[in-house]
Amino acid sequence: QVQLQESGPGLVTPSETLSLTCTVSGGSVRSGTYYWSWLRQPPGKGLEWIGYIYDSVSTNYTTYNPSLKSRVTISVDTSRNQFSLNLSSVTAADTAVYHCAGSGSHSYFDTNGHKRLSFNWFDPWGQGTLVTVSS
Amino acid sequence: IVMTQSPDSLAVSLGEMATINCKSSQSLLYSTNNKNYLTWYQQKPGQPPKLLISWASARESGVPDRFSGSGSGTDFTLTISSLQAEDVAVYYCQQYYSTPLTFGQGTKLEIK
Repeated sequence: QVQLQESGPGLVTPSETLSLTCTVSGGSVRSGTYYWSWLRQPPGKGLEWIGYIYDSVSTNYTTYNPSLKSRVTISVDTSRNQFSLNLSSVTAADTAVYHCAGSGSHSYFDTNGHKRLSFNWFDPWGQGTLVTVSS
Repeated sequence: IVMTQSPDSLAVSLGEMATINCKSSQSLLYSTNNKNYLTWYQQKPGQPPKLLISWASARESGVPDRFSGSGSGTDFTLTISSLQAEDVAVYYCQQYYSTPLTFGQGTKLEIK
């Protein structure tokens, strides 16, 4: 059973870069079984998907939310079985609980009859870590 | 894809039915596999969201059968047939049809 745990600083200075790590246990970050995502939830508000990375022996790619794309980088460290989030130029609006999550995948045939791979829902989730942006 | 839930909050008596609606700005039904790319989560304070329903109506293993999902295309419903005290939470729908992956704003369910 795959489990996730976020780690990183709880306080970040405005204009600096927020950096978080998610440690994967019970499975390999490079298994190709999961899409690894970061999401966030401002206090008392709803959920926002930040982006994901898919990493397997044969391929590696990321997809980001356009609303954050210019400031986000998600990467994998296979030696530590972790994936990470960097969010640059933070402001108070980036204060939130940050979650890492895994999405399984499923195959389907597109309208041209080609077999494709796509992501599922978010499960499992990390517990989440509160990051406050303040001077 | 914009996801809109209704109502924003809901108070229901114990043992009564609770219904939460979710509407997407475009269809979540994929034509080649006839599947709706819609999921429901339950979130309690201080916890991450918990998966309840996938593919709009497939209950996750271990989820009580009082929870059910229905709908297709752009209109979906989460129904709790007989509300229990432990069901007090915020419920979210989420589409995984396309990126950016998006959630509804959440519905807060309370006991009347």
